[in-house]
Amino acid sequence: LAKTTQPISMDSYEGQEVNITCSHNNIATNDYITWYQQFPSQGPRFIIQGYKTKVTNEVASLFIPADRKSSTLSLPRVSLSDTAVYYCLVGDMAGANNLFFGTGTRLTVIP
Amino acid sequence: GEEVAQTPKHLVRGEGQKAKLYCAPIKGHSYVFWYQQVLKNEFKFLISFQNENVFDETGMPKERFSAKCLPNSPCSLEIQATKLEDSAVYFCASSQSSGGPSNEQFFGPGTRLTVL
Repeated sequence: LAKTTQPISMDSYEGQEVNITCSHNNIATNDYITWYQQFPSQGPRFIIQGYKTKVTNEVASLFIPADRKSSTLSLPRVSLSDTAVYYCLVGDMAGANNLFFGTGTRLTVIP
Repeated sequence: GEEVAQTPKHLVRGEGQKAKLYCAPIKGHSYVFWYQQVLKNEFKFLISFQNENVFDETGMPKERFSAKCLPNSPCSLEIQATKLEDSAVYFCASSQSSGGPSNEQFFGPGTRLTVL
């Protein structure tokens, strides 16, 4: 199972773009990269998923270099409501497989 | 329903007492997962079900923990003789069956268990 490493915490001002990088040197060929967001007192929520290059949805963008040993979650123009813990997960995300969460990155958005 | 429902929201038990947690997965989802989240955001996978059958129970402390997913009933996670270290937030998640490699799990709001 590919181990992930991400910063423990980050601070950002409102309106700025936030980039959270995750390292996963031992990613396997059939592994996907998935990011979840967890607000206090709530369950994790799926944000975005990708395999290679760039993926964008209405919430975030995910950049994955060609070697796939790292990935960067990009949150455009963060607001106070984006304060949460962001988890990078790597693995075969077939519906039957359980998820392996690391310790995540605690993002604090400052007014 | 369209959301994973978990009850109760909070549960307080004295050491040695039994605790039972419930989860109603999203209708139509074939897989149900139980996770335990303790301090410092660490998640531990406990058990998963494919419909009413145990799919993966490698994370379950089998001496005191048990779980069921019966037809037409909420899934349940039961802890016999709770210990202080069982204090955590227990999350239930569900997902659709898929032969593909990418899928998302939908999490419930969790049950916070406090063992005194």
